[in-house]
Amino acid sequence: KAGVTQTPRYLIKTRGQQVTLSCSPISGHRSVSWYQQTPGQGLQFLFEYFSETQRNKGNFPGRFSGRQFSNSRSEMNVSTLELGDSALYLCASTQNLLAGVYEQYFGPGTRLTVT
Amino acid sequence: AQTVTQSQPEMSVQEAETVTLSCTYDTSESDYYLFWYKQPPSRQMILVIRQEAYKQQNATENRFSVNFQKAAKSFSLKISDSQLGDAAMYFCALTGANSKLTFGKGITLSVRP
Repeated sequence: KAGVTQTPRYLIKTRGQQVTLSCSPISGHRSVSWYQQTPGQGLQFLFEYFSETQRNKGNFPGRFSGRQFSNSRSEMNVSTLELGDSALYLCASTQNLLAGVYEQYFGPGTRLTVT
Repeated sequence: AQTVTQSQPEMSVQEAETVTLSCTYDTSESDYYLFWYKQPPSRQMILVIRQEAYKQQNATENRFSVNFQKAAKSFSLKISDSQLGDAAMYFCALTGANSKLTFGKGITLSVRP
């Protein structure tokens, strides 16, 4: 099976702009989670989508939003970019092994730099 | 709230030796799962090993094994016969009733040839 793919891999934006990141999960996986990774804060959960619905949400401002399509592909949008949004954004495709047992497989990430 | 603590920021091991990476956690959930992830310099996060909290037996995957001490809320990773390719950042992570992962800050492991 193909792994999790994320596009673009690198992105440079200016403060105030908006950005959209894309993630395609592993075939058959219906859940996609997004994480932000920074040197200072580490890995932080943004949100999770399952069957086109947001199932969980982390503690990020409303500028961070996402959606999932019927083919399970997901997009993440950040509006009004701030310098602090510079980070590696990781997408994870979730496999439900058993009831309540999950394994997450990560994509290579999108490196966002805000100038 | 769930927390995961990795107190050692860096460790070093000689090739072919054994190293243990420490992790402690806290959760109010009775059913939870613990993971170790590896993130090499290429940045692709890789699942190393999973431990179900309800299982007493420690998980093992080839050269990787865990020491799960539920009462102490400790979950350490042992890497045997260390190889140069084991050099990476290692994250301890916890998930409960939902699939949201809570990560520790990570530990950078270097392997000396």
